[in-house]
Amino acid sequence: NAGVTQTPKFRVLKTGQSMTLLCAQDMNHEYMYWYRQDPGMGLRLIHYSVGEGTTAKGEVPDGYNVSRLKKQNFLLGLESAAPSQTSVYFCASRRTGQETQYFGPGTRLLVL
Amino acid sequence: AQKITQTQPGMFVQEKEAVTLDCTYDTSDPSYGLFWYKQPSSGEMIFLIYQGSYDQQNATEGRYSLNFQKARKSANLVISASQLGDSAMYFCAMRELSSAGNKLTFGGGTRVLVKP
Repeated sequence: NAGVTQTPKFRVLKTGQSMTLLCAQDMNHEYMYWYRQDPGMGLRLIHYSVGEGTTAKGEVPDGYNVSRLKKQNFLLGLESAAPSQTSVYFCASRRTGQETQYFGPGTRLLVL
Repeated sequence: AQKITQTQPGMFVQEKEAVTLDCTYDTSDPSYGLFWYKQPSSGEMIFLIYQGSYDQQNATEGRYSLNFQKARKSANLVISASQLGDSAMYFCAMRELSSAGNKLTFGGGTRVLVKP
C-alpha cells in the first residue's frame, strides 16, 4: 500500500514548455486534489476531482488543466509553463465520508 | 478576509516542554472541520489531528491536542513534551460544508524549532 505517489519528484522546465504531473493513489479514494505551495505560504487548491471522469476548478486554476480518466490517477498539465508556476505541487486524496486528506510527497517544479 | 490566520511565523520551544500554535478561522458555515498538518524539512504533509465543528470534546491524538474554542473561532494546536523531531512547519486548515469538493483552505503556517 503505497498511499499517494507523485511523479516526477523534481523537474526543470523552460518558459513555454509543457509537462504533465502524475498523481496515483491505491486507496480507492473518490476525491483527488492538486495544490501548489509557494515559498513561505500554505497550500492553495488548483483543481480537484470528486470521481472518475469529473474535474472542477479550485482557487488558482489558470494555466493548468487536469484529467481523471481512471479513479486511481489524477493528472495535472501545464500547457505553456511560466516562471510564476515555479512551486511545489502536492496531490491529495480522500475517501467519501471521511475528513482526512492524504498527501503525496510533492513535486518540485522550477520554470526558467 | 483571511479564512485561516496563523499569527506566529516562527517560534522556539525547549525540548520536553509544551508548545501552543495559534490558529483562528473565519466562516459562516454551521458545519466545518479544522485540521492540523505537519511539514518537516523533507517536505511531505503529515496529517496530525482533526476537529469537527459539532464535536463536543477537544480532539486528542497522542501528544497532540486541539484547543477548540468555537465562540472565539480558534483551534490552537498543543504539542506536549516536545521532541527534536517536532521541528517543522505546522499548518492549520479548514474544510467548510459549502466548499465544493470539500477542499481545504490553509493558513500561512508556523515554523517550530525545538531546542535541545
